[in-house]
Amino acid sequence: DAEITQSPRHKITETGRQVTLACHQTWNHNNMFWYRQDLGHGLRLIHYSYGVQDTNKGEVSDGYSVSRSNTEDLPLTLESAASSQTSVYFCASSERGGLTDTQYFGPGTRLTVL
Amino acid sequence: GDSVTQMEGPVTLSEEAFLTINCTYTATGYPSLFWYVQYPGEGLQLLLKATKADDKGSNKGFEATYRKETTSFHLEKGSVQVSDSAVYFCALRRYNQGGKLIFGQGTELSVKP
Repeated sequence: DAEITQSPRHKITETGRQVTLACHQTWNHNNMFWYRQDLGHGLRLIHYSYGVQDTNKGEVSDGYSVSRSNTEDLPLTLESAASSQTSVYFCASSERGGLTDTQYFGPGTRLTVL
Repeated sequence: GDSVTQMEGPVTLSEEAFLTINCTYTATGYPSLFWYVQYPGEGLQLLLKATKADDKGSNKGFEATYRKETTSFHLEKGSVQVSDSAVYFCALRRYNQGGKLIFGQGTELSVKP
């Protein structure tokens, strides 16, 4: 079955370190998204991509970067981790982004920055 | 800008009680509206959706009607079960915003036997 996976599921790191969170989907979806989930804020969009070599900033993109070298993967990099980036991160994908398009979510990565 | 507001949680109900979780939105044009559910330790799953005014989305006994006049998309279920305990998110997507979703803050539901 097609799916979307994230790794690692849990990560503890130190302030200032570079961290990369992986996201892999097997639906061959064009659109991929990264969100962070924080209590009281719901999910907020970090970065998104509409296809290979396409990346765009979301509402909370500072301190994060992404790259899209193939259809299946959209890794999220924290260039220099900060305690404010402690959160749960969700990757999602969808086919085209039309009004009826469904966005599918991965299981999440819980990141702790000490 | 676009936004979604949900009722504060947590909501605690007894099994077989009636559930309403309020959701209102602010957006230009005619967005699509969604309810997602997140079970403990899992990612979000689409529960139901509606793409135009007066549409009713339904799934697993849950329903929500797209009310443009009140800019609302309240989630209802007639008789909740313990297995419905989860966090529920209301979200919108505008037609010219690709696949981007804007989420409410989430409402935690706890159903007691």
